[in-house]
Amino acid sequence: NAGVTQTPKFQVLKTGQSMTLQCAQDMNHNSMYWYRQDPGMGLRLIYYSASEGTTDKGEVPNGYNVSRLNKREFSLRLESAAPSQTSVYFCASTERPRDTQYFGPGTRLTVL
Amino acid sequence: DAKTTQPTSMDCAEGRAANLPCNHSTISGNEYVYWYRQIHSQGPQYIIHGLKNNETNEMASLIITEDRKSSTLILPHATLRDTAVYYCIVRDQAGTALIFGKGTTLSVSS
Repeated sequence: NAGVTQTPKFQVLKTGQSMTLQCAQDMNHNSMYWYRQDPGMGLRLIYYSASEGTTDKGEVPNGYNVSRLNKREFSLRLESAAPSQTSVYFCASTERPRDTQYFGPGTRLTVL
Repeated sequence: DAKTTQPTSMDCAEGRAANLPCNHSTISGNEYVYWYRQIHSQGPQYIIHGLKNNETNEMASLIITEDRKSSTLILPHATLRDTAVYYCIVRDQAGTALIFGKGTTLSVSS
């Protein structure tokens, strides 16, 4: 039982490049989330998916797109990376929106 | 969701109890108090949550004042591995996301 897994662990991009961050959970959770954490700050919600087939914007969605591929997987895409998107990205999942959230280990992204 | 206020940092000696305070004076009746911690840039880890009664689990105890305007997370016997940033979060059960502030950096030393 791996919990929440994220790939890649580290990534360096040049401005304008695109990439997709992958997240998967094996806890059969319905809801999944993408957060970003900038240095010295708390986490901020980018997008979430309350259930398979639905996605909604969070606090900081600009510059990102998401796909809830199936119940297990929730991906985050940067279409044209910018230096302001340099951050650590965390994926989380929960059985229901009001329940405890379980977090993955994070993806450390640097955009040059 | 109500806003919380926590001290920026605290120190604790190994083996002693660590008492981390949190103020949430604007909390409403249906909002819960959650505590998470983040060890060295890993993903946040759930610790405990409560509504108005005191709660205890294998990791910690949560004491909520009777007026619910503040709470204290207690780690009864802190170890070096408890060094982390601790976040106090207030949210209602319908809330979608966790609203993280800057938290309290707890440093446990031998």
